[in-house]
Formats: sequence, C-alpha cells, structure tokens
Amino acid sequence: RKEVEQDPGPFNVPEGATVAFNCTYSNSASQSFFWYRQDCRKEPKLLMSVYSSGNEDGRFTAQLNRASQYISLLIRDSKLSDSATYLCVVNSAGGFKTIFGAGTRLFVKA
Amino acid sequence: GAVVSQHPSWVICKSGTSVKIECRSLDFQATTMFWYRQFPKQSLMLMATSNEGSKATYEQGVEKDKFLINHASLTLSTLTVTSAHPEDSSFYICSVWLAGGRTDTQYFGPGTRLTVL
Repeated sequence: RKEVEQDPGPFNVPEGATVAFNCTYSNSASQSFFWYRQDCRKEPKLLMSVYSSGNEDGRFTAQLNRASQYISLLIRDSKLSDSATYLCVVNSAGGFKTIFGAGTRLFVKA
Repeated sequence: GAVVSQHPSWVICKSGTSVKIECRSLDFQATTMFWYRQFPKQSLMLMATSNEGSKATYEQGVEKDKFLINHASLTLSTLTVTSAHPEDSSFYICSVWLAGGRTDTQYFGPGTRLTVL
C-alpha cells in the first residue's frame, strides 16, 4: 500500500462545477498535511495547509480526518485556471520528510 | 515572491557528461535543503537531504556517487549528476522548509529539466 493515495483522476468538469479530491495516508503518526498545485512542467506550489479544524481559502476548502487518516480538498465554482494537478502531501512525524501522493489531474472546460 | 531559485532551468547534454544544478535560498539561510526528482506523470520522489557543512543523506536506492551533493554555504546547495545517461532525464527540484504560522511550510524551486541524449 502506498503511503499517500489519491483519487486517480483525471477529473473533467465544466466551469462553475464543484469538485472534490480525496486522499488517504497510512502513517497514523503523520503531523502535517498540505495540498499543493502543480501546473504542467512547473514546480509544486502550496495551495493550502490542512488542519483538523478544517480551513477555507476563497473557493477552496480542505478537511482533515485523523481518525480515518483522510484528507479532502473541495473546489467550488471551478475556473479554467484551476486546471492543474493537485498533490496531497503528508509530512512524517519528527522531521521534514514529506511524502507526495501521485496527484490528481483536473481539467476544467468552458 | 520566490523563496528558492534554481539554475539552470533546463539543460540538454550528451550521455556521459556531468551536469551541475544549483539551488539557492533567497534572502534567508537554509541549513537544510532537499532534492527531489520527478519523472513524467509521476510524483515527486525525495532523493537526498542536503546539510550545510556535512554530508548529504541519501534516500534508499539513490546512488550517492552518481548524484553528488555539495552544500558549501547557507544559501547554496548543488546537485551534480555525474556521467549522465538517458534514464537520468527528469525534472529535478530542490526545496526548503520555512517556519511560520501554524505550521512549517515547504517551498520548491522552479525546477531543472534535464534531458540526456
């Protein structure tokens, strides 16, 4: 089993749609969690950190369920510019070693 | 603004040559930097942790004699791919961690795309 698993994708959605990505992690001692966005042939860029209390940034909402070892990302009112690969990233306990999910590709169409 | 820079952004070389990639932290000192590699349609894989003034720590399966890491200053780490071969063609990305807010955050350089012919 992979340490971090994501929806395989790709997700093809029309503009304005709401789309949700899921991610599970295997190490129950993991301490911090992130969603990154990666555009084609570019480096990953931090989208948002994920907290147990949940957090929202504009159209993006991230949730963490430690009991189920599950992370989600919700994108509302999708824009064409949201088309990218979304990476679920988990930081292992006690250090800076991060484990990346394989990514979920999103295509938003007009 | 950018936190980390990399140079070059892309390089094409012949098989058997060595390629050096630089990673610089901008406006801050980084005692630790991380080197990742990403093959097409795959996720980032940590290659090694670069420690200023000491030897790098390599992940399992990464050849330390092939991927030479030098972290000679607090703002510069270099990765040298020695005797590069076509299978080394990949996207190489460095990163640093910055403390702040509720949690530390990892920032990535813009990456270096290596193509070995």
